Amino acid sequence: GNSVTQMEGPVTLSEEAFLTINCTYTATGYPSLFWYVQYPGEGLQLLLKATKADDKGSNKGFEATYRKETTSFHLEKGSVQVSDSAVYFCALSNDYKLSFGAGTTVTVRA
Amino acid sequence: EAQVTQNPRYLITVTGKKLTVTCSQNMNHEYMSWYRQDPGLGLRQIYYSMNVEVTDKGDVPEGYKVSRKEKRNFPLILESPSPNQTSLYFCASSLSPGGIGVYNEQFFGPGTRLTVL
Repeated sequence: GNSVTQMEGPVTLSEEAFLTINCTYTATGYPSLFWYVQYPGEGLQLLLKATKADDKGSNKGFEATYRKETTSFHLEKGSVQVSDSAVYFCALSNDYKLSFGAGTTVTVRA
Repeated sequence: EAQVTQNPRYLITVTGKKLTVTCSQNMNHEYMSWYRQDPGLGLRQIYYSMNVEVTDKGDVPEGYKVSRKEKRNFPLILESPSPNQTSLYFCASSLSPGGIGVYNEQFFGPGTRLTVL
C-alpha cells in the first residue's frame, strides 16, 4: 500500500531562516507527489506538485524535487516569512486517491 | 466564486444523536471525498464518490454513511456518533477521479470541527 512519512514538528524558525521539511514515501508504481499547506482555520491548499522522477515543483518560493532513488520529496524554502506559518502535508497519489503524511506544524517568528 | 462549502463549521453533540455534515461544490466536479484529520495521523479518507450515485469506502469508513444524489452535494452522515469520531472533517472535490499517472487537483472545504461528548 501507499504511505507517506514526514518529519515531525513542530518546527519554529526565525524570519528569513531556511526551512526544510523531510518527506519520504512508499508506493507501488509511479506516484505523483504533492505538498499541501493548511493555514490556521482554513482547509488545505495545493502548494506544489511533481508527477514524475526528477521533476521539481515550485510555488511561492517553496521547492521540492521528486527523488525516485531515495523515495523522497523534501520541501525547502530559502527565506521564510511570518506568513508561512502553517501546517504542511506531504501527499502522494498513484490513482484517484490521496495518501497524506501526518503534517508538520511550522511557526515563523518575527 | 469557485468553492467547496461545509456546514456546520463547528458542532458539539452527544453520543448517539444522529447528525449530518453537508458538503456542496459549485465547480461541477465529478469526484468528491470526505477526510478526517487527527493529530499525528494526517488526513485519512472516509468515503469518496466518483459521480452521482457512485460511492465507495475509503480507509476509515466505519461509523459513517454518505450519499450522492446530486452532483454538487455529498453529505456525511453519522447515524450514532461516538467520542472516537471527534475530529476535524474535510470535504474535497476534483474535476474527475483521475487515474494512473493522472491527477486532478482536489479542492478542500474549510473544515468542520466535530466534538462528540
